[in-house]
Amino acid sequence: DIQMTQSPSTLSASVGDRVTITCRASQSIGSWLAWYQQKPGKAPKFLIYKASSLESGVPSRFSGSGSGTEFTLTISSLQPDDLATYYCQQYNSYSWTFGQGTKVEIK
Amino acid sequence: EVQLLESGGGLVQPGGSLRLSCAASGFTFNNYGLSWVRQAPGKGLEWVSTISGSDESTFYADSVKGRFTISRDNSKNTLYLQVNSLRAEDTAVYYCAKSYSSNWCFDHWGQGTQVTVSS
Repeated sequence: DIQMTQSPSTLSASVGDRVTITCRASQSIGSWLAWYQQKPGKAPKFLIYKASSLESGVPSRFSGSGSGTEFTLTISSLQPDDLATYYCQQYNSYSWTFGQGTKVEIK
Repeated sequence: EVQLLESGGGLVQPGGSLRLSCAASGFTFNNYGLSWVRQAPGKGLEWVSTISGSDESTFYADSVKGRFTISRDNSKNTLYLQVNSLRAEDTAVYYCAKSYSSNWCFDHWGQGTQVTVSS
């Protein structure tokens, strides 16, 4: 199975900061990567697919990049509503896997 | 509006069984793959199983293969997960999720149903 490793596990930033989360795959997955946001007690929300395509309705401060084995999710200007845990997910093979999550806290 | 509504969770003893259901609306059901993703208490997301919309091919995580069975009833717009031989480590919230077009990522999620395995 393809392993997905996110870093950092937790990050604390101030409102307005630029925030970057990294996701690394144990083997090349092309651009078959998605990002999700999960707020406490809620179901995950779909943010980005194919590594860099923003889902309709998702604020433009969110962006994704990367290909192969290294990917990033960037929040250009952190907002209080962005308090959540973020997960990457690979869908290159018929055994889908998620990263362990990155918890974003507001300072 | 796409809606996914899970049901069927509960408290079950180790070795027991449950059938989880996910009632879907707001999209052409048989055109899309559907999946189950679970989340153990305080842990991350774990993909469990997927069934395609076209030929109803099925896929399972190694951790549940041979114990769980995914199926769908296109006439009822409902997805199922039969979970057998349950173990304590199967305790989790089980989410139903819809695939995004031809991509095998998940654009809509249900609210989840809790499965607790305990004696």
